[in-house]
Amino acid sequence: DGGITQSPKYLFRKEGQNVTLSCEQNLNHDAMYWYRQDPGQGLRLIYYSQIVNDFQKGDIAEGYSVSREKKESFPLTVTSAQKNPTAFYLCASSNYGTGRAFFGQGTRLTVV
Amino acid sequence: AQTVTQSQPEMSVQEAETVTLSCTYDTSESDYYLFWYKQPPSRQMILVIRQEAYKQQNATENRFSVNFQKAAKSFSLKISDSQLGDAAMYFCAYRKSSGQNFVFGPGTRLSVLP
Repeated sequence: DGGITQSPKYLFRKEGQNVTLSCEQNLNHDAMYWYRQDPGQGLRLIYYSQIVNDFQKGDIAEGYSVSREKKESFPLTVTSAQKNPTAFYLCASSNYGTGRAFFGQGTRLTVV
Repeated sequence: AQTVTQSQPEMSVQEAETVTLSCTYDTSESDYYLFWYKQPPSRQMILVIRQEAYKQQNATENRFSVNFQKAAKSFSLKISDSQLGDAAMYFCAYRKSSGQNFVFGPGTRLSVLP
């Protein structure tokens, strides 16, 4: 089945550590996105990529980094510079055809 | 910049009844998409319905329909014959046709009462 896979589903990070969240899609979509969702809140854009080897900062990029070496993959690294990383992270992809975004199942990151 | 507003943080509806969720947006574009996404307790984002701005006809998907008022920049979602499984957060979203980014509203939490 085509879709987006995020892993892991749950992730625990110690203070001062970097962690990487995985996002893979087999939908052949050009665009991929990372969103952060805090409890009871909407989605805030962290980074997005419209094409391989290119990406742009979203509204809350500080403390995060991404790469887009392959069309299928868009990993997100939460660095130690992110002071409040505990949140739910959603990855999405889209193309121009249908206009819609397809979402992964999300990763719940907790700082311990 | 485009913005999406959902003025109802929480709504409730009796099972089998009808409920309407409100969404307004601000844009200077003429060609764009509008979406309603549902996020149940599993937190998986599920597309409920999609509307293309150039289409005057309101989109419908089974029990879900929209009232798209382009001049008023309004895009409300009507859920008919509400079911317990409809309980979720509902997000309204905008995307201009020539762009890649989505703008999401803050969400409306819908409770369905048995």
